[in-house]
Amino acid sequence: QKEVEQNSGPLSVPEGAIASLNCTYSDRVSQSFFWYRQYSGKSPELIMSIYSNGDKEDGRFTAQLNKASQYVSLLIRDSQPSDSATYLCAVNQAAGNKLTFGGGTRVLVKP
Amino acid sequence: GAVVSQHPSWVICKSGTSVKIECRSLDFQATTMFWYRQFPKQSLMLMATSNEGSKATYEQGVEKDKFLINHASLTLSTLTVTSAHPEDSSFYICSSGQNNEKLFFGSGTQLSVL
Repeated sequence: QKEVEQNSGPLSVPEGAIASLNCTYSDRVSQSFFWYRQYSGKSPELIMSIYSNGDKEDGRFTAQLNKASQYVSLLIRDSQPSDSATYLCAVNQAAGNKLTFGGGTRVLVKP
Repeated sequence: GAVVSQHPSWVICKSGTSVKIECRSLDFQATTMFWYRQFPKQSLMLMATSNEGSKATYEQGVEKDKFLINHASLTLSTLTVTSAHPEDSSFYICSSGQNNEKLFFGSGTQLSVL
């Protein structure tokens, strides 16, 4: 069983719609959760971090964490073609430990 | 946010040669640097963790004699791919962060071995 799982997609959404991405993790002691965006041929870019249960909003992005169910999600509101990328979920047991990445979900926003 | 500078961005080399990739932390002290490799359409795979002043820790299946890591200072870590072969062609990325919490990535190095 993979430690961090994501649907590989592609997730196709029309421009202006909400893109919903999910991520599940296996290690219950995980403490820190991150979403990275990666454009083709580029390195990942941190877009959201979340540490406690509930929602965290930053602009058009909302991260949701549910430690009891061991999932973290990312919502992208008002999706734009420029949001088309691969979104990587990453989990960390504690500060100083290595991140474990999911396989990534490819998102395609169609004009 | 923290900035990690990685060079070169891309390199093409002949089979059997060695390639060095550098990563520098520009505005913080990187006590730990993580080195990843990413093949096309796949996720990041951690290769090794380098710590300033000590030996790197390699992930299972990664040859430490082939991928030499040096972390001699708090701002510089290097990865040398020795005797590179076509199967080593990949996107190599370093990352670090303040307090090793949020990680920031270098721009990546696309290695193509002919």
